[in-house]
Amino acid sequence: AQSVTQLDSHVSVSEGTPVLLRCNYSSSYSPSLFWYVQHPNKGLQLLLKYTSAATLVKGINGFEAEFKKSETSFHLTKPSAHMSDAAEYFCVVSYTSGGSYIPTFGRGTSLIVHP
Amino acid sequence: GAVVSQHPSWVICKSGTSVKIECRSLDFQATTMFWYRQFPKQSLMLMATSNEGSKATYEQGVEKDKFLINHASLTLSTLTVTSAHPEDSSFYICSARDREPVRTEAFFGQGTRLTVV
Repeated sequence: AQSVTQLDSHVSVSEGTPVLLRCNYSSSYSPSLFWYVQHPNKGLQLLLKYTSAATLVKGINGFEAEFKKSETSFHLTKPSAHMSDAAEYFCVVSYTSGGSYIPTFGRGTSLIVHP
Repeated sequence: GAVVSQHPSWVICKSGTSVKIECRSLDFQATTMFWYRQFPKQSLMLMATSNEGSKATYEQGVEKDKFLINHASLTLSTLTVTSAHPEDSSFYICSARDREPVRTEAFFGQGTRLTVV
């Protein structure tokens, strides 16, 4: 079965410093990978997605992620954190062929941004 | 872009009553819709997958008689929480997958926060 592991339940950074949220997936197939953000009591917003094109993916709000097949990773980064980035972040995997197309969520990483 | 509309965004109901949540794909046809549940400070757990015109497939541990799912058309799926109890209080999110194969991702609704009192 496919799975996605978010290595950190919480990440705490100071405003203006870089952000790194880690995500690893397990699969024998080529995945589609996504990062979603959820602000408190809100729905999901798509940050970016990887679908077998460029391995470095740029998303909204200055976020980007790099797909590394050799490491089965899709870590989310941002050069400089903003207070408004404080939220819950979910890494999601699905497949168009081979594996399951059902989106599977990681457990989530809570990003805390200190002034 | 593809839009999924979920309604209502929040609902409060009394114990023992039933609540219906609608999920609509506004500008695409969705052959498959997914229903997720999210407990406070936890991730989204898949409840069931529904395909247009056929019975939903429920995940292990999800009561199909309690959570009724209907996917009557290519743009609408409904989740009915029957005889709701306080433990059913949760955040429910639907997701719809475009029938066009070039679209690889599923699109999510804004979610429904259900509170049973």
